[in-house]
Amino acid sequence: QKEVEQDPGPLSVPEGAIVSLNCTYSNSAFQYFMWYRQYSRKGPELLMYTYSSGNKEDGRFTAQVDKSSKYISLFIRDSQPSDSATYLCAMSGNTGGFKTIFGAGTRLFVKA
Amino acid sequence: GAGVSQSPSNKVTEKGKDVELRCDPISGHTALYWYRQSLGQGLEFLIYFQGNSAPDKSGLPSDRFSAERTGGSVSTLTIQRTQQEDSAVYLCASSLDGTGSTDTQYFGPGTRLTVL
Repeated sequence: QKEVEQDPGPLSVPEGAIVSLNCTYSNSAFQYFMWYRQYSRKGPELLMYTYSSGNKEDGRFTAQVDKSSKYISLFIRDSQPSDSATYLCAMSGNTGGFKTIFGAGTRLFVKA
Repeated sequence: GAGVSQSPSNKVTEKGKDVELRCDPISGHTALYWYRQSLGQGLEFLIYFQGNSAPDKSGLPSDRFSAERTGGSVSTLTIQRTQQEDSAVYLCASSLDGTGSTDTQYFGPGTRLTVL
């Protein structure tokens, strides 16, 4: 079993839809949870960062962490074609140094 | 300012050949990471450099893979006797001080390696 599980998709939605992206994990030591966005032929870029459980909102994006269920989510409101990308969850913590563990990434397509 | 740069952007090689991939981190970043990204597999950690400390090589998949970082800046990832399963995108990232949990990694655009 992988430490971080993420459905690779693809996920296709119409413009304006609410998108929900999710990851589950197995290591309870993870404390820092991140979402990266990766456009085609580009490197990942940090989108959202959350510490421990709770919600964090930034514009149209909301990140949620439920440590009791080992489940994290990223919600995108009023999705736009420019949101079409691969979204990778990532997490780290007191697991033995610096290592950040990434999910496989979910490919999202937002249709105009 | 300039971000992380990688070269070449694409590399096609024949099985059995050696390849070198280059990474130029953001100026002033002391931590540097190499990852491999295969379709549907996410980012696989390869190696980590932090300042003058010995690198963490625990992610290198075989002894055909090696990396060095000269002068605490530019890094080169070398794959000897390439195999078809080495085909992937190799990503480099750098961060300010490698404290891990709260130290944002900035990624380069990657090198797409194809082994025929």
